[in-house]
Amino acid sequence: NAGVTQTPKFQVLKTGQSMTLQCAQDMNHEYMSWYRQDPGMGLRLIHYSVGAGITDQGEVPNGYNVSRSTTEDFPLRLLSAAPSQTSVYFCASSPGRITGNTIYFGEGSWLTVV
Amino acid sequence: GQQLNQSPQSMFIQEGEDVSMNCTSSSIFNTWLWYKQDPGEGPVLLIALYKAGELTSNGRLTAQFGITRKDSFLNISASIPSDVGIYFCAGQHYGGSQGNLIFGKGTKLSVKP
Repeated sequence: NAGVTQTPKFQVLKTGQSMTLQCAQDMNHEYMSWYRQDPGMGLRLIHYSVGAGITDQGEVPNGYNVSRSTTEDFPLRLLSAAPSQTSVYFCASSPGRITGNTIYFGEGSWLTVV
Repeated sequence: GQQLNQSPQSMFIQEGEDVSMNCTSSSIFNTWLWYKQDPGEGPVLLIALYKAGELTSNGRLTAQFGITRKDSFLNISASIPSDVGIYFCAGQHYGGSQGNLIFGKGTKLSVKP
């Protein structure tokens, strides 16, 4: 009964380092997305995917890269981390893009860039 | 980018009191959603609304989809300590490159026993 699984839960990076946040879902959902949450802000969409091999940019895509080689996995890559990317990151999935009532969120990944 | 205006930003209430929060937008949405987020957790869906004017309840929670499709409110009756958390509204368009969620900035609820 895993749902949406994110790893790592916590990470500290130095400026300029690269890393990948992993997201996996076991519900065979087509749609997956990444959000970031900053203090006093709602969640903002970074990138999303409507199916394997298809990705698109959200509201705040700069500095992030994604790929969707399988239905289950949707990793988020930071190529050269910056302090402005210190945030909490949430991965989400749903059967389709318009089914608002079945969007499942992961538990979040806390990232600090120093 | 598009934003939702959610108010109030925070609330401090006594256990047993009722709570009301709302969201407004400059554009219309096809779906309004209300989420709750506990510390260290991801958002959890409370109520989903699909039709203008729709009024939906989930236990002590009641939410309505505004007639204009540009607003929604959430009421919590007889609050209890476990209601503490951050409540987010989210709007969703259908179709095209849209269909993603747009979130409000959240209402932080504190409940005094």
